[in-house]
Amino acid sequence: AQSVTQLDSQVPVFEEAPVELRCNYSSSVSVYLFWYVQYPNQGLQLLLKYLSGSTLVKGINGFEAEFNKSQTSFHLRKPSVHISDTAEYFCAVSGTSYDKVIFGPGTSLSVIP
Amino acid sequence: DAGITQSPRHKVTETGTPVTLRCHQTENHRYMYWYRQDPGHGLRLIHYSYGVKDTDKGEVSDGYSVSRSKTEDFLLTLESATSSQTSVYFCAISEGGQRKNEKLFFGSGTQLSVL
Repeated sequence: AQSVTQLDSQVPVFEEAPVELRCNYSSSVSVYLFWYVQYPNQGLQLLLKYLSGSTLVKGINGFEAEFNKSQTSFHLRKPSVHISDTAEYFCAVSGTSYDKVIFGPGTSLSVIP
Repeated sequence: DAGITQSPRHKVTETGTPVTLRCHQTENHRYMYWYRQDPGHGLRLIHYSYGVKDTDKGEVSDGYSVSRSKTEDFLLTLESATSSQTSVYFCAISEGGQRKNEKLFFGSGTQLSVL
């Protein structure tokens, strides 16, 4: 079975500052990794995903994440945040042959003007 | 946007009453999921379906049942609602085959309050 830990429940950051949202996972099998974003009063949408290949993946809105197999991490980064990035961010994991996608508890990113 | 419609969008009900939430898709995707979202817990999988009449349990299935009689519809039923089932419920869909987990498309959610 897989599980996901997001170490920070809330992250406040000033506008135009860099941000890193941390995600660690556990799994006994090969995994797919994801970051989803939820804007206020909306459903979730895919931000980026790691399936295979390059460990650095780029997503929408200038976000990127790096898969580190030895540390079982998949941290999300953005070099300069905007007010519009204020949202809830969820890390998720799935076994490559499994039916289920398991989500972490989420990190609330608040961008301060 | 993926064609996913959840109904109702909001529901207030009383403890002990049955409640059915509906998820309708127009994408002809094979996989459909029901999640609940609660503060501090993120999204937790309740049940999922991998085809018509093919369903399986997720992490928090107790107190819930599902049915899928058509590809496009996935129903979630709370047989006897309890206050602990007050939550936001999200339906999600994904393609089947090797790409089944590559991307989930989510509906807009149903806010359920059990008084």
